[in-house]
Amino acid sequence: GAVVSQHPSRVICKSGTSVKIECRSLDFQATTMFWYRQFPKKSLMLMATSNEGSKATYEQGVEKDKFLINHASLTLSTLTVTSAHPEDSSFYICSARDPKGEWNYEQYFGPGTRLTVT
Amino acid sequence: LAKTTQPISMDSYEGQEVNITCSHNNIATNDYITWYQQFPSQGPRFIIQGYKTKVTNEVASLFIPADRKSSTLSLPRVSLSDTAVYYCLVGAKDSSYKLIFGSGTRLLVRP
Repeated sequence: GAVVSQHPSRVICKSGTSVKIECRSLDFQATTMFWYRQFPKKSLMLMATSNEGSKATYEQGVEKDKFLINHASLTLSTLTVTSAHPEDSSFYICSARDPKGEWNYEQYFGPGTRLTVT
Repeated sequence: LAKTTQPISMDSYEGQEVNITCSHNNIATNDYITWYQQFPSQGPRFIIQGYKTKVTNEVASLFIPADRKSSTLSLPRVSLSDTAVYYCLVGAKDSSYKLIFGSGTRLLVRP
């Protein structure tokens, strides 16, 4: 149980275009999902908290107009990187919190999406 | 959220027991301690969680002293496949719970 998927696993896009990344909780309902970014050999950096049916809460320093987050259902959150630039190239990871699972509010992570902007 | 401090890296050999200690001096009464494992280009994977004393599962043990200002993740008889980054996190298990990752410990297991 507690499986989180991401799509796509890898994406290459041209500078100036937008890219959408999907995060799904497959076997539980997640009222809250989180988006992280990770650069090579660095730790995960929390970008934003996504709550179903409401606006996302962004961490300090994260541009909300550049990283659009939508959490339209209890099992799906999307991250859209708008007008991508090479410096946005990174590993994007989502997690979903299961409030009713064995570990009560524990977070389960997706496999990540490798974004490369050329 | 309580800040955590871990060694940046550790080396070990196959078959040895590895203990990774994490300091969390400002842990709050309601905070739990959770450890995650991350392989390159993968999302973190939950290993173990505890509040006090000792917790053991099929993968690891977690030792937490009475003052809870530190914790130790123990991996018995590591193998090459245990080479990964291990993160220690603390936080309350409520609706405000969100995971803020520190630098983690990069464990290298040698043959």
